[in-house]
Amino acid sequence: DGGITQSPKYLFRKEGQNVTLSCEQNLNHDAMYWYRQDPGQGLRLIYYSQIVNDFQKGDIAEGYSVSREKKESFPLTVTSAQKNPTAFYLCASRKDRGDNSPLHFGNGTRLTVT
Amino acid sequence: RKEVEQDPGPFNVPEGATVAFNCTYSNSASQSFFWYRQDCRKEPKLLMSVYSSGNEDGRFTAQLNRASQYISLLIRDSKLSDSATYLCVWGTGGGNKLTFGTGTQLKVEL
Repeated sequence: DGGITQSPKYLFRKEGQNVTLSCEQNLNHDAMYWYRQDPGQGLRLIYYSQIVNDFQKGDIAEGYSVSREKKESFPLTVTSAQKNPTAFYLCASRKDRGDNSPLHFGNGTRLTVT
Repeated sequence: RKEVEQDPGPFNVPEGATVAFNCTYSNSASQSFFWYRQDCRKEPKLLMSVYSSGNEDGRFTAQLNRASQYISLLIRDSKLSDSATYLCVWGTGGGNKLTFGTGTQLKVEL
């Protein structure tokens, strides 16, 4: 079955450590996205990528970095510069840049930094 | 004005009721609108795309009003299983950047 895989589901880290969240898709989608969700709030866009080797900052990119070396993969690194990293992180992909192409989400990674 | 405004609710409605949500957006260049549903501690799932002419899928109807810059979602004959948070989404930057509203919580009760 095609889909988006995020791993791990739960991740715990000490403050000051960088951590990389994995996102892999086998849907052959061109575009990939990272969102962050805090309790009781909506999703906020961190980074997105329309094509391999290219990506754009979203609304809250500070303290995060990404890479898009392969079409299937879009890992997100939460750096020590991110002041409030504890959150629910959601990766999504989209078939193309067509106006009515919806997002498909992975199951998410819950990151806790103490 | 916020980029998007969505009443957080909760909307508590009896089973069988009709309920409507609106989502207003500030960027008139917005394209590609969607409604997503999110259950507690789960990922959002596509409910329906929103087309300019309006569209219906069973008990759900979505509409776009470009002049007033809002999209709406109407749910008829509410079921207990409709209880969830409903998120509006719109695209800017040629439709590439997809932004979510803060979500409206719906609770359907017996």
